[in-house]
Amino acid sequence: TQLLEQSPQFLSIQEGENLTVYCNSSSVFSSLQWYRQEPGEGPVLLVTVVTGGEVKKLKRLTFQFGDARKDSSLHITAAQPGDTGLYLCAGATSNTGKLIFGQGTTLQVKP
Amino acid sequence: GAVVSQHPSWVICKSGTSVKIECRSLDFQATTMFWYRQFPKQSLMLMATSNEGSKATYEQGVEKDKFLINHASLTLSTLTVTSAHPEDSSFYICSARKDGRVEQYFGPGTRLTVT
Repeated sequence: TQLLEQSPQFLSIQEGENLTVYCNSSSVFSSLQWYRQEPGEGPVLLVTVVTGGEVKKLKRLTFQFGDARKDSSLHITAAQPGDTGLYLCAGATSNTGKLIFGQGTTLQVKP
Repeated sequence: GAVVSQHPSWVICKSGTSVKIECRSLDFQATTMFWYRQFPKQSLMLMATSNEGSKATYEQGVEKDKFLINHASLTLSTLTVTSAHPEDSSFYICSARKDGRVEQYFGPGTRLTVT
């Protein structure tokens, strides 16, 4: 069974601080997606990483896929209250198209 | 674009009745759609994979006779919760995948409350 361990599960920080969220697995994924979800809404796709070692930037968010495609990280620089939400990593299995989701990280950024 | 809609956004029903939730891909065709359930402050739990023109594939522990899935066209999948009970109250979210792509695009979710 493929599992994605996401950490930390909860994070409360002050505006302007930096943070990193991690997703780790013993399995190799063909790709990994990061989503952000606000209460009462569906997840919104932030990025897809496919190549081992790949780094993608989305404004203040930096996403990295591990060389072995087993782990990924999301780094937020100078967090803003608008970054508050549930962040989910999801690894794609190769044939079925199903996503394996991490447990999620609830981020609260206080002004 | 990749817009997915769900209807209704919320529904309250009485125990024993059935509820149908629709999931539509508005600007792309989706051979495959997925249905998830989410409990408060938790991650998404995959219930089933909906395949256009064929039977859905259910995850272990999900009752296929209780959660009926129909994927009649390339843009519409429906989930019917039959004989609903209070324990079925949850946030149900669908997603759709563009053919040949790995990303899933999610609908806004449906809050089901069974009284």
